[in-house]
Amino acid sequence: NAGVMQNPRHLVRRRGQEARLRCSPMKGHSHVYWYRQLPEEGLKFMVYLQKENIIDESGMPKERFSAEFPKEGPSILRIQQVVRGDSAAYFCASSPIGEKLFFGSGTQLSVL
Amino acid sequence: GQQVMQIPQYQHVQEGEDFTTYCNSSTTLSNIQWYKQRPGGHPVFLIQLVKSGEVKKQKRLTFQFGEAKKNSSLHITATQTTDVGTYFCAGRTGNTPLVFGKGTRLSVIA
Repeated sequence: NAGVMQNPRHLVRRRGQEARLRCSPMKGHSHVYWYRQLPEEGLKFMVYLQKENIIDESGMPKERFSAEFPKEGPSILRIQQVVRGDSAAYFCASSPIGEKLFFGSGTQLSVL
Repeated sequence: GQQVMQIPQYQHVQEGEDFTTYCNSSTTLSNIQWYKQRPGGHPVFLIQLVKSGEVKKQKRLTFQFGEAKKNSSLHITATQTTDVGTYFCAGRTGNTPLVFGKGTRLSVIA
């Protein structure tokens, strides 16, 4: 049973470009969460999705950030017009019924 | 909003010494989870505590959930170099998403 798959592992963008981060949950998991981690910091909740629905986006900035989890395909976290402050590790996690989380290996976003 | 505090932020121990990290929530939690993140890795689930006063053990690791369900601790007996990493607690109130503490980074000196 493959784990949570995130890609790319590393993403470099220049200021103003768009970043797209992908997450395929574990098979059978219908809950997806995105967290952001800065160095020496904990994991900050961004958004919680189920298939085709955003359940909780209280942790996501209102501008430039969006997330989706379509009926088919991976969950996507999109950051438009990236700025240096967006540089961080972005972790996706999935769970079968909203209990313990299984994390992917993360995407390290670097904005030049 | 809900906040989860963890102390200490860093802990350096000699191999064989014990280690404890503490977690406190600003609100009563429905459950608390602990995760371990190795350097350069991703968080891995360790355990979930649900009941008031619950104590669970995993080999050298002992997890406790406070009577008021607002605090928790993780104790490691006789640390080994394989214990190196950052230990996070994460709490949930009702159906809210997990809120993580900032973690305790453990270094073990051989």
